Amino acid sequence: DAKTTQPPSMDCAEGRAANLPCNHSTISGNEYVYWYRQIHSQGPQYIIHGLKNNETNEMASLIITEDRKSSTLILPHATLRDTAVYYCIAPDTGRRALTFGSGTRLQVQP
Amino acid sequence: GAVVSQHPSWVICKSGTSVKIECRSLDFQATTMFWYRQFPKQSLMLMATSNEGSKATYEQGVEKDKFLINHASLTLSTLTVTSAHPEDSSFYICSATRGTAFSGANVLTFGAGSRLTVL
Repeated sequence: DAKTTQPPSMDCAEGRAANLPCNHSTISGNEYVYWYRQIHSQGPQYIIHGLKNNETNEMASLIITEDRKSSTLILPHATLRDTAVYYCIAPDTGRRALTFGSGTRLQVQP
Repeated sequence: GAVVSQHPSWVICKSGTSVKIECRSLDFQATTMFWYRQFPKQSLMLMATSNEGSKATYEQGVEKDKFLINHASLTLSTLTVTSAHPEDSSFYICSATRGTAFSGANVLTFGAGSRLTVL
C-alpha cells in the first residue's frame, strides 16, 4: 500500500469545519484514497473514497490535490460525535484488505 | 448499505478455554472476510484473510493453530481463539466486501468488534 502520513492529533471546535490532511506522495495512478474513522471501542466506519476528483457525500468531502500526493478530509460542521481516530488509506490495486496506520485522533471541543 | 454483524460483542473467559467469534454479512455475500486485532491504544492489525470454502491465509506472525478460522458459507466466518491466555485479550474486528479487490468500486465494511478478556 502507498505510505500515508497523518498528523497524530487535531482539535476542532464544535460546529466548525474539521480539515484532516493526509500525505500519500508515493501513491500510484490507479490507487484510490480511502478514509475511515473509528470511534472508541467500535469497528471502523467508512467515510469516503476517491481517485482524482473531489468527492462529497452526506458525511464529508474529500479534496485530492491535482498531483494526488495529498488529500484533505473535510467534516463541514463537526459535532462531538465526530470525535474519533481518522484513517487515510491508499491500498494497492488488487489488494483485498486494508492496512491501517496510526491515523489522526480528532477531538471535537464543545 | 452493506452490514456486517459480529457476535458476541464482548466475552470473558478463563485461561485455557476456547472462544468462538462469529462474523456475518447480513445483506450481501462475501467470498472473502478479514479478521483484525486491535490492542489498546494501537491501530488495527490484519490477522488473516478468510476465504469461503478454502483455508484461511494468515499474516506473518499469527499462529494459525491458535486462531482457527472457518468460512463455511458466503455470509459467515468464524474465528476461534483456542486455549486462550491473557495475552490474547484484545479487540477482534471482522470485515467483508462484496468485491474481491480494491478497484474503487468496493468498500470494506467492518463489524462492531468483539472484545475478548481472558482471565
